[in-house]
Amino acid sequence: GAGVSQSPSNKVTEKGKDVELRCDPISGHTALYWYRQSLGQGLEFLIYFQGNSAPDKSGLPSDRFSAERTGGSVSTLTIQRTQQEDSAVYLCASRADRYQPQHFGDGTRLSIL
Amino acid sequence: QQPVQSPQAVILREGEDAVINCSSSKALYSVHWYRQKHGEAPVFLMILLKGGEQKGHEKISASFNEKKQQSSLYLTASQLSYSGTYFCGTDDMRFGAGTRLTVKP
Repeated sequence: GAGVSQSPSNKVTEKGKDVELRCDPISGHTALYWYRQSLGQGLEFLIYFQGNSAPDKSGLPSDRFSAERTGGSVSTLTIQRTQQEDSAVYLCASRADRYQPQHFGDGTRLSIL
Repeated sequence: QQPVQSPQAVILREGEDAVINCSSSKALYSVHWYRQKHGEAPVFLMILLKGGEQKGHEKISASFNEKKQQSSLYLTASQLSYSGTYFCGTDDMRFGAGTRLTVKP
């Protein structure tokens, strides 16, 4: 079956521009996570969606970052007024429930010029 | 709060063994282990649940001490393909900083 799909795979943009990153989770997975991974670093938690519950936004680094999940499926991570320190790989993952493993997408490599 | 992993890095020769540790400051129901190769997405290795249940690859072994809130991943008779960065994650899917494992011929 299809895995977690992320688009675009690469994004280059100028400082100050807004960007939208998309994640299409595995069908039926109620939990969806966004992470940021800077070069050579670990997986920084950003936000978590579970079904229709209010998302856990505790990892968002600033108010320039926001995310939504429409219809319990596709999610979009938006970064406004991008800064050079936003350059990283943004990974999305989904899982069916807390007893199941996460499945990661291939990520979006974001480069801010 | 993210778990703490140790060591940060380890270098092995093929056939040698390694242990990677993960500890949390809060009570855990589960611990998750993933491996990430350079330029790739993390891949699931194992889940350990409170009560002793485990799900994962047959060739990977791990332990979970619920009382101490600690888990260890055991890599035995390492192969070149074991190289990568290993991450442990907790119930809420916060991950440790990772352990970089390098296996040399």
